[in-house]
Amino acid sequence: GAGVSQSPRYKVTKRGQDVALRCDPISGHVSLYWYRQALGQGPEFLTYFNYEAQQDKSGLPNDRFSAERPEGSISTLTIQRTEQRDSAMYRCASAPPAYGYTFGSGTRLTVV
Amino acid sequence: DAKTTQPPSMDCAEGRAANLPCNHSTISGNEYVYWYRQIHSQGPQYIIHGLKNNETNEMASLIITEDRKSSTLILPHATLRDTAVYYCIVNNYGQNFVFGPGTRLSVLP
Repeated sequence: GAGVSQSPRYKVTKRGQDVALRCDPISGHVSLYWYRQALGQGPEFLTYFNYEAQQDKSGLPNDRFSAERPEGSISTLTIQRTEQRDSAMYRCASAPPAYGYTFGSGTRLTVV
Repeated sequence: DAKTTQPPSMDCAEGRAANLPCNHSTISGNEYVYWYRQIHSQGPQYIIHGLKNNETNEMASLIITEDRKSSTLILPHATLRDTAVYYCIVNNYGQNFVFGPGTRLSVLP
């Protein structure tokens, strides 16, 4: 596609439920990144992939968070047993080799 | 932790040049300097990047000092739509970007 597409744009979920956030990167982009952004703060790194391989997951806060990119294209960030502190804007970015990121519009997650 | 230091905020008059400084005194030889901006609640937008030479594109110019320990992003004729948070990041290709708090630029009419 023309840009990085994320869905849903908004997600409200009850505490304890699982959520899956989807990212569809720009076609052909090798690298895909997940970030989380709290209001008034810069994006915080979560994890990234080159093709289907998860290269770095050091930013995932705990084992309730996981991500996959099974075919090297679309990626899913899953949060299990959501908590209120998980509420944030979740942003996905993709990049070709040796270039800057293009970010998607994000998914605003609210845990109530 | 971010490897860069930026002023938390700056003002600039509309139509004038906005010069945004960034210190990156611990930059290593193979790290690039990237600039992004984030307008309100939109996703960060790539502006420009460079290694050691000055760079210019349709959005901005990037001036990197000879010792590479600091750089300046220049918006030559700032408009109200340039009001945003500007992030300076140093990074190797293929590594995750670490965003600091950035500089909040306010372009004033």
